[in-house]
Amino acid sequence: QQPVQSPQAVILREGEDAVINCSSSKALYSVHWYRQKHGEAPVFLMILLKGGEQKGHEKISASFNEKKQQSSLYLTASQLSYSGTYFCGTVSGTYKYIFGTGTRLKVLA
Amino acid sequence: GAVVSQHPSWVICKSGTSVKIECRSLDFQATTMFWYRQFPKQSLMLMATSNEGSKATYEQGVEKDKFLINHASLTLSTLTVTSAHPEDSSFYICSAPRDRGREAFFGQGTRLTVV
Repeated sequence: QQPVQSPQAVILREGEDAVINCSSSKALYSVHWYRQKHGEAPVFLMILLKGGEQKGHEKISASFNEKKQQSSLYLTASQLSYSGTYFCGTVSGTYKYIFGTGTRLKVLA
Repeated sequence: GAVVSQHPSWVICKSGTSVKIECRSLDFQATTMFWYRQFPKQSLMLMATSNEGSKATYEQGVEKDKFLINHASLTLSTLTVTSAHPEDSSFYICSAPRDRGREAFFGQGTRLTVV
């Protein structure tokens, strides 16, 4: 079953922050975050494997809740280059890779 | 990082013809590859899981006789869209994880247009 992301779309000004959520109806083996620009392949951002894990790189970070059913992606001080569609990729016990519904993010100057 | 190469990047074909899309893992052996289809402004929808040396596993609603998948080696999986119709026009993309459960590496995607 496809994980649900929220919000579906968000518009930001440069420098503003955003949070994107990904919820699954069942516990996950892992969750990955990707950003996709129009007409291009998704680009890997980060992976979380453990319940309660939080990790980040520069101004993008993510968390994975203890029950391993929800993950959030945090974008701080957004830049124009952050624009795109964000997907959470989830792996369940069957090692099937399913992507979330997607969140379209646009950063305005 | 691991590289997955997908060809062609785009293809235009006539209705009724077949199109083959290749997905290669360039620096690792991929026992499993995934094929997705993405319509405009929609998410990547898993079509099938390609397993080296065995039959592909198709998702519900995906016609296995129409979308033929072959995973003949540890570095190559192919998707053949048979008897293509305009409604098959979409962005097809493959991915492969280096290890089970780890991040997936994507091919560049193939934009298929059936006229």
